[in-house]
Amino acid sequence: DAGITQSPRHKVTETGTPVTLRCHQTENHRYMYWYRQDPGHGLRLIHYSYGVKDTDKGEVSDGYSVSRSKTEDFLLTLESATSSQTSVYFCAISESTGGYTEAFFGQGTRLTVV
Amino acid sequence: DAKTTQPNSMESNEEEPVHLPCNHSTISGTDYIHWYRQLPSQGPEYVIHGLTSNVNNRMASLAIAEDRKSSTLILHRATLRDAAVYYCILRPYNDYKLSFGAGTTVTVRA
Repeated sequence: DAGITQSPRHKVTETGTPVTLRCHQTENHRYMYWYRQDPGHGLRLIHYSYGVKDTDKGEVSDGYSVSRSKTEDFLLTLESATSSQTSVYFCAISESTGGYTEAFFGQGTRLTVV
Repeated sequence: DAKTTQPNSMESNEEEPVHLPCNHSTISGTDYIHWYRQLPSQGPEYVIHGLTSNVNNRMASLAIAEDRKSSTLILHRATLRDAAVYYCILRPYNDYKLSFGAGTTVTVRA
C-alpha cells in the first residue's frame, strides 16, 4: 500500500470556522491532489500540487486554499467552513502527471460542517 | 475531455468471472485507459491501466478493443471483497487530472 496518511479521519466543525486537513506521504511523489466526494457528484478535484510551493486549482476550488511547503505534506484549508463543504475529502499522489502512471489515494477525511 | 460510459450496476456470483465493460468512443490516441475501484468507506484504489495492448496484473486483466473505443475489465474469480464501485477513466498522457464518473457498482453474491 502506498504510504499516504490523511488527518484527521473525522471532523465536525461549526460554520464559519477555519479547518485544515493534512495529507502526508512517504513515497516522495511529486504530484499531490485533493478531491471531494459527494453523493450524486462523484469525485471532484479541488486543488493539486506539482511540486513544493507549486499548486493550481481544480474544478471546485472556491472556498479552499492549499499549501505545500514540503514534498511530503499537502494541506487543504477551508478558510470559513460552510455546510456545502460537508463532504468526504480524499488526498491522492502520483509520481507523474502522465497517463502512464497510476495515482494512489488516502483513506479519506469525513468532514461535517454544522 | 473524452468521456466513458459504464453500466450503473452488475451482479456476479462468488468465484465466477466478472466482465466490466466501458465504452469510450471519443478516445484520443494518447489517452490511457485506467481502472480504479472504491470499496465501501475507502478511498479509490488503482486496479490497472493500458494504452493499446491487453494488460494483466495480480488484480485483474484489461482487454482493449482493437479500435480502442471500448475496453473490458476482467476479474477472473470474484470474491466478496471485490464488491465495489469500479471506475473506468481516460487519462491523457500529459494531463494531471484524473476525472471520475459514476462508475459501475459491482455486487458479489456468496
